[in-house]
Amino acid sequence: GDSVTQMEGPVTLSEEAFLTINCTYTATGYPSLFWYVQYPGEGLQLLLKATKADDKGSNKGFEATYRKETTSFHLEKGSVQVSDSAVYFCALSDRSSGSARQLTFGSGTQLTVLP
Amino acid sequence: NAGVTQTPKFQVLKTGQSMTLQCAQDMNHEYMSWYRQDPGMGLRLIHYSVGAGITDQGEVPNGYNVSRSTTEDFPLRLLSAAPSQTSVYFCASSSQGATGELFFGEGSRLTVL
Repeated sequence: GDSVTQMEGPVTLSEEAFLTINCTYTATGYPSLFWYVQYPGEGLQLLLKATKADDKGSNKGFEATYRKETTSFHLEKGSVQVSDSAVYFCALSDRSSGSARQLTFGSGTQLTVLP
Repeated sequence: NAGVTQTPKFQVLKTGQSMTLQCAQDMNHEYMSWYRQDPGMGLRLIHYSVGAGITDQGEVPNGYNVSRSTTEDFPLRLLSAAPSQTSVYFCASSSQGATGELFFGEGSRLTVL
C-alpha cells in the first residue's frame, strides 16, 4: 500500500535559518503530493501541493518539488520565522486507488523556531 | 467563516461508555471524512463519505460507526469506548474534483479512562 516517510523531529532552528524537512513516498499509482501545516491548537491546513512529476508547489516562502526519480517531496524555506513553528505533515493521494480525496499522511515533523 | 465545525472540543469518557462526535460543514462539500491523530503515527483514516447516504471504511474503522443523512453533517459514534480510542479526532471535507485539498476542523480531544 501507499506510505509516506518523513524525517523525525523535533526540529529546532534559529530565526532566519534554512529549513529542510525530508519526505519520501511509496505509491502504486500516480500520486499527488501535499504538505499540510498544523499550528498549535488548530486543525491541519493545506500549505502547498504538486500534482505531477517536476511540479513545484510554493506558498508563504515554502517550496517543495515533486521528484519522481527519487520519490521525494522535500519541504524547504530559505529563512524561517518564529511564526513558522508548527507541525508539518507530508501526504499523498493516489488517484489510481479510486478516491483521490483519501490522503495518506506521514507522521509529522514538529518545527520550533527560536528568536 | 465557519468551514468545518467539530463538537465537543474536549471529552473524557469511562471505558464502555458511548458518545458521538459531531461534524458539520457549510461549504456544500460532497466528501467528508474522519481521522484520528496519535503521536508518531500521523493521521489515520477512520471512515469517509462521498455523499449523503454513502459511507465507507478507512484504515482503522473498528469501534466506530458513521452515518451521512445530510450533506452538511457527518457524526462519528463510539459505541463502547476503549482506552485505545484515546486520541485527537479530526473531521475533514472536500469538494468533488479537489484532489487532496481537505479542509479540517479544529479537532476533538478524547480521553478514555
